[in-house]
Amino acid sequence: EADIYQTPRYLVIGTGKKITLECSQTMGHDKMYWYQQDPGMELHLIHYSYGVNSTEKGDLSSESTVSRIRTEHFPLTLESARPSHTSQYLCASSEGGGITDTQYFGPGTRLTVL
Amino acid sequence: AQSVTQLGSHVSVSEGALVLLRCNYSSSVPPYLFWYVQYPNQGLQLLLKYTTGATLVKGINGFEAEFKKSETSFHLTKPSAHMSDAAEYFCAVSSGGYQKVTFGTGTKLQVIP
Repeated sequence: EADIYQTPRYLVIGTGKKITLECSQTMGHDKMYWYQQDPGMELHLIHYSYGVNSTEKGDLSSESTVSRIRTEHFPLTLESARPSHTSQYLCASSEGGGITDTQYFGPGTRLTVL
Repeated sequence: AQSVTQLGSHVSVSEGALVLLRCNYSSSVPPYLFWYVQYPNQGLQLLLKYTTGATLVKGINGFEAEFKKSETSFHLTKPSAHMSDAAEYFCAVSSGGYQKVTFGTGTKLQVIP
């Protein structure tokens, strides 16, 4: 069974606040991802990482930033949250970078910016 | 480029009835295809995937999907719906020329007792 964790699960904050969404996995996977999920929309890849010290922007432009200092940890940061950032954020990992690899998802963080 | 179209954002079936969730893909190269399920307040988990070989793929919880190249489809089926199947289902595609996975918009399955 996959072990990938996200905290917090729910977050309500005011505009302008800096926030960090945490994501950790205990599977030793090299590749990790952040997706943004809105109702009725496809999942949008916003960031991914091939390994430590490797990060790339995804398909959807995002004002967030990520870091990958340790294999198991892939936090996402918003320097100044805005109502347009309200969404569900899903973290995922896969064992390799192959296009047939299964992605394992965390439970998500539902962010509301007032 | 690659894309996925899921027909029907909401599908309702009676308990015990056939489940059919539709997925069509577009890819300029041979695709790899996935179905993921998302239960309420949880992340996505893999139901099944097609990579190469047999076009009928069996997954967990009694689900299966058939890759039909001529129809560019990968529909998900289950012979008899159970209440626990109520969830949102996502079809996804990845292909060699586009080293990422593209997800569909999801289909919410409601199972009526």
